[in-house]
Order: sequence, then structure tokens, then C-alpha cells
Amino acid sequence: EPEVTQTPSHQVTQMGQEVILRCVPISNHLYFYWYRQILGQKVEFLVSFYNNEISEKSEIFDDQFSVERPDGSNFTLKIRSTKLEDSAMYFCASSERFGGGYGYTFGSGTRLTVV
Amino acid sequence: DAKTTQPPSMDCAEGRAANLPCNHSTISGNEYVYWYRQIHSQGPQYIIHGLKNNETNEMASLIITEDRKSSTLILPHATLRDTAVYYCIVRVATGSGNTPLVFGKGTRLSVIA
Repeated sequence: EPEVTQTPSHQVTQMGQEVILRCVPISNHLYFYWYRQILGQKVEFLVSFYNNEISEKSEIFDDQFSVERPDGSNFTLKIRSTKLEDSAMYFCASSERFGGGYGYTFGSGTRLTVV
Repeated sequence: DAKTTQPPSMDCAEGRAANLPCNHSTISGNEYVYWYRQIHSQGPQYIIHGLKNNETNEMASLIITEDRKSSTLILPHATLRDTAVYYCIVRVATGSGNTPLVFGKGTRLSVIA
């Protein structure tokens, strides 16, 4: 069964450092998403991406965050200057199409720890 | 914010059917009902979705009331591996906007041996 692959599985970074989280969505999917989950809290939407541009973003997705699809397979989330409160699980997801008839496939996540 | 209401937790005996309720009384005509689950800290896993009719797949059945204001996810023979947080989500089916999935707190299902 096709999978969404995320790397690394765990990343530790110092406060103020830049970090890039990587995702390889399912190959025929057109819509891409990033979510995060702070320990013990809800899964929160960050951003959706389609046709090489951001479709929608949440209040969490401020100027410190950016997304990119640098080639035909990767989808990245960059945090420019990490803060302690950025520590969370970050999940990438993709879907074949937009619309209610299509579910998302999530990756297994990257655990980001900011120290 | 999530547009659904779910009980915070439920228990189910192994081998029995698990029936997880969800209230979505403000659902619109063009919104689907999705169910996902999250096992421990893994990524959410898609289970099933429906619009009006009841749906069944290899994982579960989804029963939607005629007025569409509530639904029930049924795991016919729960196993210990079904212990997870189950999320009921409503999401628009079509439109110009790319409405994302919005997760609530879900129901923590504990399957007990």
C-alpha cells in the first residue's frame, strides 16, 4: 500500500536554529498538508499546498514557517528560528484530490525536540 | 474548531463490537463525515467516510442517521490493536476553498482483554 514517508523520525535542535522536515507524499497525490501535535494535545492543521502554492494556512503558520516542493517528489516544512514551543510531532499528509470523497494519508511523523 | 461532539472515552471487550457515536447536528448538505484513528503517537489513519448512506469497508462500518445529525462508527470485532483515539470529522465535499481536516479531541477507545 502506498505510504507517505517522513524523515527524520526524530530531530533535536537548539533554540534559534533552522530546521527542515522532509516528506515524500504518495506519487499520484496532488494535495499536501502539514499538521502538528504537541504532546498530549490535539492534531492541529498548519498548512495545505496545491499547484506549488499555499492553499490555506492556520494562525499557527506564521512567518517562521515555510513550505516548499523543491522537486517532483519532496515536500518540506522549514522552521526558520525554532522556539521551545515548536517541540511537537509534525505530520505530513497527502490526498489524491480535494473534496469530500478523498481521504488523507498521513506519514508516521517527525518528532521535533527544541532544546 | 471541530464541528463534532464525541464522548471522551469508551471501553470495549475484545471480540465484541465497538460502537463509537458522533454528534454533528450542524452538518451541511455538502459535508462528508470522516473517521480517523490515531494509535499512540503515530500519524492519523483513515478509516472510512460517508455522505448520506451507510458505508462498510474492511475496517469498519459507518451508520449515518437519516437526518445526518449523528453517526456511529462500528468496529465489528474489536481487538487489542484497535485501542486508539478515534476522530469523527466533518468536511466540505466541494467548493473553491481547500478546507482541511480539523481534528477535535476524539474518543479514546480502550479494548480490554
